[in-house]
Amino acid sequence: DQQVKQNSPSLSVQEGRISILNCDYTNSMFDYFLWYKKYPAEGPTFLISISSIKDKNEDGRFTVFLNKSAKHLSLHIVPSQPGDSAVYFCAAPNTGNQFYFGTGTSLTVIP
Amino acid sequence: DSGVTQTPKHLITATGQRVTLRCSPRSGDLSVYWYQQSLDQGLQFLIQYYNGEERAKGNILERFSAQQFPDLHSELNLSSLELGDSALYFCASSVALGGAEKLFFGSGTQLSVL
Repeated sequence: DQQVKQNSPSLSVQEGRISILNCDYTNSMFDYFLWYKKYPAEGPTFLISISSIKDKNEDGRFTVFLNKSAKHLSLHIVPSQPGDSAVYFCAAPNTGNQFYFGTGTSLTVIP
Repeated sequence: DSGVTQTPKHLITATGQRVTLRCSPRSGDLSVYWYQQSLDQGLQFLIQYYNGEERAKGNILERFSAQQFPDLHSELNLSSLELGDSALYFCASSVALGGAEKLFFGSGTQLSVL
């Protein structure tokens, strides 16, 4: 049962433009969401999170938006840089802190 | 550096064999998680330990087992290996249960079963 879904396996964006990565979830009990970034041959690293009491959280070039009614979140990267090329995973923990991850979106930022 | 250490980085073995993957969590973290990432797959949750006790089980095969020791390091044992077990295995740790926690991941063990 895929409780967190990322329907776009890949995304290509020109340097300097906006990258928008999407994530959907099915469990309405999720109240905290995270984005992780993963480079090849490395483990995922935490990028940004959002609590369900907010609809937006910003950290530098990265902003996460949460639409609870649609059970949808998105990660915006502005402006996109070549170093942002990586696989991005969204994740959500249940009450027992079991984290569910999406299948990832591979972002390529073209110089 | 996440502070989570996984060994070995690479493991090549044959079908039917048994291997052990090791994980040392960040200092102070009590929870350890194991995840499997196969080709084109997301991170599949295998099992979670908290302070030495099994806390949650995910899609872990009966051929796989894990434990967390008193010093909080954890081992994932994979036995009767099959070709399909070839994957990247990640360990992650967090401080505690519940709340706005985040996981810190090791760099993974790449297992190749030939």
